Amino acid sequence: DIQMTQSPSSLSASVGDRVTITCQASHDISTSLNWYQQKPGRAPKLLIYEASNLETGVPSRFSGSGSGTEFTFTISSLQPEDVAKYYCQQYDMLPPSITFGQGTRLEIK
Amino acid sequence: QVQLVQSGAEVKRPGASVKISCKASKDSFPIYYIHWVRQAPGQGLEWLGVINLGGGSDFYAQRFRGRLTVTWDTSTSTVYLDLSRLRFDDTAIYFCARDGGSVGASKFDLWGQGSLVTVSS
Repeated sequence: DIQMTQSPSSLSASVGDRVTITCQASHDISTSLNWYQQKPGRAPKLLIYEASNLETGVPSRFSGSGSGTEFTFTISSLQPEDVAKYYCQQYDMLPPSITFGQGTRLEIK
Repeated sequence: QVQLVQSGAEVKRPGASVKISCKASKDSFPIYYIHWVRQAPGQGLEWLGVINLGGGSDFYAQRFRGRLTVTWDTSTSTVYLDLSRLRFDDTAIYFCARDGGSVGASKFDLWGQGSLVTVSS
């Protein structure tokens, strides 16, 4: 199985800051990577799919990049409502195999 | 309304089975795959398995094979997760999720609200 290593595990930043989270895959996964946001008591929400595509309705301050084994998720200007836990997720559909990163807890300073 | 609505909380004894439902609203279609993901208290997300609503084929994460079954009832647009031989570490919130990815890709773009399963003696 492909392992996903996400860092940092937690992060504190100020409103307006640029925030970056990274995810490393144990094997080349091309761009088969998604990013989710999860707020306390809620289901996860899809933000970025196929490494760099912004899901419909998601603010443009969120972005993703990378391919192969190294991926980056960025919030260009942190907002108070962005306080949440963020997860990367790799997928392979033949046969289905899906793995999440350990998550990054994002807080406001 | 586009939504997946899951069944309520369950409390089960170790060794018992639990069956959770996930009903898709008319507006949430087309749906090709439904996945199940769980989250233990204070922990991360863990993928359990997937069902193809077209052909009914299913596939499970290695560690759940033999005690996890996912089924689809076309008449009620409901997917079921059945987990047997429950252990204390099966205590978690279980989520169903629609896969809205294109061919060969995957993205969980619609989620149920979650169903809490507590395994307690």
